[in-house]
Amino acid sequence: GENVEQHPSTLSVQEGDSAVIKCTYSDSASNYFPWYKQELGKRPQLIIDIRSNVGEKKDQRIAVTLNKTAKHFSLHITETQPEDSAVYFCAASDSSSGGYNKLIFGAGTRLAVHP
Amino acid sequence: EPEVTQTPSHQVTQMGQEVILRCVPISNHLYFYWYRQILGQKVEFLVSFYNNEISEKSEIFDDQFSVERPDGSNFTLKIRSTKLEDSAMYFCASSPPNTGELFFGEGSRLTVL
Repeated sequence: GENVEQHPSTLSVQEGDSAVIKCTYSDSASNYFPWYKQELGKRPQLIIDIRSNVGEKKDQRIAVTLNKTAKHFSLHITETQPEDSAVYFCAASDSSSGGYNKLIFGAGTRLAVHP
Repeated sequence: EPEVTQTPSHQVTQMGQEVILRCVPISNHLYFYWYRQILGQKVEFLVSFYNNEISEKSEIFDDQFSVERPDGSNFTLKIRSTKLEDSAMYFCASSPPNTGELFFGEGSRLTVL
């Protein structure tokens, strides 16, 4: 089955700096790669996702890149702000066209943005 | 905006007791899931459900777990005889028929004493 590795486990940056979180996956059939932000005691919230027919996707200060050959994908946050502080999870799945989507999550990265 | 809702938000139970966690998925979604997150750890897949039956389950989802959709709206997770290690946050999720994006509920925190 799919296995997702995520690094680093913790990341501390100064406000305004960039943050990069990296994930690798094992199953070459995986074709959907979302990133979730989870604040303490809250549900995971989807912040961006990418499908395997795309190499990069950007949404304001957040971007995700995907390298299918190397089986890794990364989250880039630019101009970080204190409210970006949270745990970020990557995930991967073999998403079917019918909408079935069993996500396998990475272990999470605790991001701390210091003012 | 429609949301997945879960009840209870927190349940405390004694070891060996049965627990039922309830979820109301988003109404036009076809696939339903339960995930578990032990405190400080990753979100783990438990089970998926489609067309009134289990479509896939993980090795965590052993015989003490069951799921059902007793009516047109609720989706439940039952733990028959709780153990200390069942203490976790349980998230219900659902996905629509086209994008497959998962929508998570707020979670039910289970504490087994």
